[in-house]
Amino acid sequence: EVQLVESGGGLIQPGGSLRLSCAVSGLVFRAYPMSWVRQAPGKGLEWVSIISGSGGNTYYADSVKGRFIISRDNSKNTFYLHMNSLRVDDTAVYYCANLGVDWYFDLWGRGTLVTVSS
Amino acid sequence: DIQMTQSPSSLSASVGDSVTITCRASQGIGKSLAWFQQKPGKAPKSLIYAASTLQSGVPSKFSGGGSGTEFTLTISSVQSEDFAVYYCQQYVTYPYTFGQGTKLEIK
Repeated sequence: EVQLVESGGGLIQPGGSLRLSCAVSGLVFRAYPMSWVRQAPGKGLEWVSIISGSGGNTYYADSVKGRFIISRDNSKNTFYLHMNSLRVDDTAVYYCANLGVDWYFDLWGRGTLVTVSS
Repeated sequence: DIQMTQSPSSLSASVGDSVTITCRASQGIGKSLAWFQQKPGKAPKSLIYAASTLQSGVPSKFSGGGSGTEFTLTISSVQSEDFAVYYCQQYVTYPYTFGQGTKLEIK
């Protein structure tokens, strides 16, 4: 059974940094692109970032470009979202997901809540 | 960016009804369209990709269609467990973009 489990969320002050992790099991991790998607309270889904299976290619939404970095450790079956210069409008539940062969979203984690507030 | 617009934004249905949700893309996306279901407090669940291909384990009561700029999600014989918010999403180009969601409610 494939599982994705996020961790690392919490309360952080504006301007601070946080690292989210997504531990993946049940699939050949290095073969799959991975992604982060977020959902602000009461709002819809917003794509954040994608990383290729090798880690050599990364993509970002304009809203986080230059502040967030996606990375992965294929030896640990884990990928990350390093979030810097956090803003109040980054407050959201952050979901990790794996992508299928044509880079569509496949399975999702349960999410981790990031609250940016002073 | 490609804008994805869903209609209606909300929909009331009775158990046993068949319902259809429409998703329009601001430019052609071929068949690079996915649908998701999200229940309150839960993660999204992937239902359909490539406009019409069911994800593994998704019941055949869900069906998707369309190509280019107009797509549909149809749920036949709606049951209580189907009441949720449904999102479409394009993955032909970055940034990936979602529709605003359609809330399916019990009448």
